[in-house]
Amino acid sequence: GEDVEQSLFLSVREGDSSVINCTYTDSSSTYLYWYKQEPGAGLQLLTYIFSNMDMKQDQRLTVLLNKKDKHLSLRIADTQTGDSAIYFCAVDNDYKLSFGAGTTVTVRA
Amino acid sequence: GAGVSQSPSNKVTEKGKDVELRCDPISGHTALYWYRQRLGQGLEFLIYFQGNSAPDKSGLPSDRFSAERTGESVSTLTIQRTQQEDSAVYLCASSFYEAYGYTFGSGTRLTVV
Repeated sequence: GEDVEQSLFLSVREGDSSVINCTYTDSSSTYLYWYKQEPGAGLQLLTYIFSNMDMKQDQRLTVLLNKKDKHLSLRIADTQTGDSAIYFCAVDNDYKLSFGAGTTVTVRA
Repeated sequence: GAGVSQSPSNKVTEKGKDVELRCDPISGHTALYWYRQRLGQGLEFLIYFQGNSAPDKSGLPSDRFSAERTGESVSTLTIQRTQQEDSAVYLCASSFYEAYGYTFGSGTRLTVV
């Protein structure tokens, strides 16, 4: 099956940029996603990128996709305390999503 | 409804008992999915419904797990003879198109004691 890898933890100072990285194995994915999970809550779709795109920007979020290296990243500009959460990378395989284990982002003052 | 609703939000059950978890998808969403999230791990796919049919049940861990969907709406995930390893958060999601813009519910946290 699809293998999606993420680093487990990221600590960032408030106001700095956060970069969360993800690698995957299936090159046939059509859409690649970033989800955010806050404590006790379900997963919230943050953004997604179509596989024929290299970059997508959405307000403070920038998604970069390197298909050759099968590498996806999420950059959060001007990180705020409300950005503290677990971020999941996910790639599609038909109707299924394969998820990484999640990156816990901690924002420190 | 406005979002995907799951109930109960928390369930504690004794080992060996049966449990039913319910999911109300967004109205009009034809696709419905169940995933399981164990502590500190990513999500594992369990089952996919298109309408009331389940073309892919490949993620169900054992024959103790079953799911149904009726009226192209509500889905129930049933776990029989629960075991401690079944303890997890069970997440339901629905979408209008397959795997495009999944909307997740808040999940049911199942604890088997």
